[in-house]
Amino acid sequence: ETGVTQTPRHLVMGMTNKKSLKCEQHLGHNAMYWYKQSAKKPLELMFVYNFKEQTENNSVPSRFSPECPNSSHLFLHLHTLQPEDSALYLCASSQDSYGLANYGYTFGSGTRLTVV
Amino acid sequence: QKEVEQNSGPLSVPEGAIASLNCTYSDRGSQSFFWYRQYSGKSPELIMFIYSNGDKEDGRFTAQLNKASQYVSLLIRDSQPSDSATYLCAPGNQGGKLIFGQGTELSVKP
Repeated sequence: ETGVTQTPRHLVMGMTNKKSLKCEQHLGHNAMYWYKQSAKKPLELMFVYNFKEQTENNSVPSRFSPECPNSSHLFLHLHTLQPEDSALYLCASSQDSYGLANYGYTFGSGTRLTVV
Repeated sequence: QKEVEQNSGPLSVPEGAIASLNCTYSDRGSQSFFWYRQYSGKSPELIMFIYSNGDKEDGRFTAQLNKASQYVSLLIRDSQPSDSATYLCAPGNQGGKLIFGQGTELSVKP
């Protein structure tokens, strides 16, 4: 496989459930990102990982818990979500997240999350 | 002031016309600028990036950058119905992170 792969593509979960989103990249990149995209709103950066280390948490509620076991894999663990958390969650990767070496991100296809 | 501002549209142009998409940004430290295209229900895909003031052309697409005015634009010549999508402007800040605008919806009418 090539590029950035996200699973599942669609997820419906109750507010008391625990679920995880998975992202895998086959590009040899060292930085990975989680973004949230809600209707009619800009992409919101949630977390940044560089070489497996979290370098940014953009004031994300603790009900979202990221995990990056290696440079190729990124998870987003979800628990006790709210209906307003329903959105498209996008994973992206880049060479790294420092300066001009960043030639843009490659996005996965996203997970469409619905919280009921 | 928003970090990145784009007209949300929709911008409607006839097939074959030039579509002009504009973006202003607030971070004077931004060094790299990216344009992404996002079809409905799909993820964003990179179509252009520019680092230097002036114009950069790639096929039917031309990106224009004016750092003094903190302004970047994307021109699409000979617009096609397949160009109908939302176009996202994303300046890269000094930390290398991309901050996205809300996007401009483009509709190309046959």
